[in-house]
Amino acid sequence: EPEVTQTPSHQVTQMGQEVILRCVPISNHLYFYWYRQILGQKVEFLVSFYNNEISEKSEIFDDQFSVERPDGSNFTLKIRSTKLEDSAMYFCASSDRHNEQFFGPGTRLTVL
Amino acid sequence: SQKIEQNSEALNIQEGKTATLTCNYTNYSPAYLQWYRQDPGRGPVFLLLIRENEKEKRKERLKVTFDTTLKQSLFHITASQPADSATYLCAPPNSGNTPLVFGKGTRLSVIA
Repeated sequence: EPEVTQTPSHQVTQMGQEVILRCVPISNHLYFYWYRQILGQKVEFLVSFYNNEISEKSEIFDDQFSVERPDGSNFTLKIRSTKLEDSAMYFCASSDRHNEQFFGPGTRLTVL
Repeated sequence: SQKIEQNSEALNIQEGKTATLTCNYTNYSPAYLQWYRQDPGRGPVFLLLIRENEKEKRKERLKVTFDTTLKQSLFHITASQPADSATYLCAPPNSGNTPLVFGKGTRLSVIA
């Protein structure tokens, strides 16, 4: 069964450093998303991506964040200068239409 | 802004009983609503989607109802099993239609 994959599973970084989180969505899906979940809190939407551009973004997704689909398979989230409060699980998701979203296993980001 | 409330943070039930989880939403009228399951440290897994013109949807031991007058969805698990223990998330789309707005979730524990 096709699935969304994410790498790395755990990323530890120093405050102020740049990180890139990688995702491989399901191959025939057209909509891609990033969500995050701070420990003990709810899953929060960051950004959605369709037709090679951002379609929606939340207030969390400020100038420090960017997304890219560099080739036909990868979808990346970059945080330019990490802050302590960026520590969270980051989930990538994909869907083929406005329906169920398939989530990856997540990347746990720890900012020290 | 849209608000999603799930009735309780935690629910404990005896194996074999029916678990009923509640999701209330305010300040908008979503065209559909989704339910997801999340296990600790894992990404959400899609369970069911119900549209505003559907009163009820079933899948095996799961049943979802959608009352647009009450602005409420109920999620039922019949003949519950310890393996059903997880956090269940209610997720309608936001006003932009594609990103999901997650509730905090209800942590269900099924006791053998």
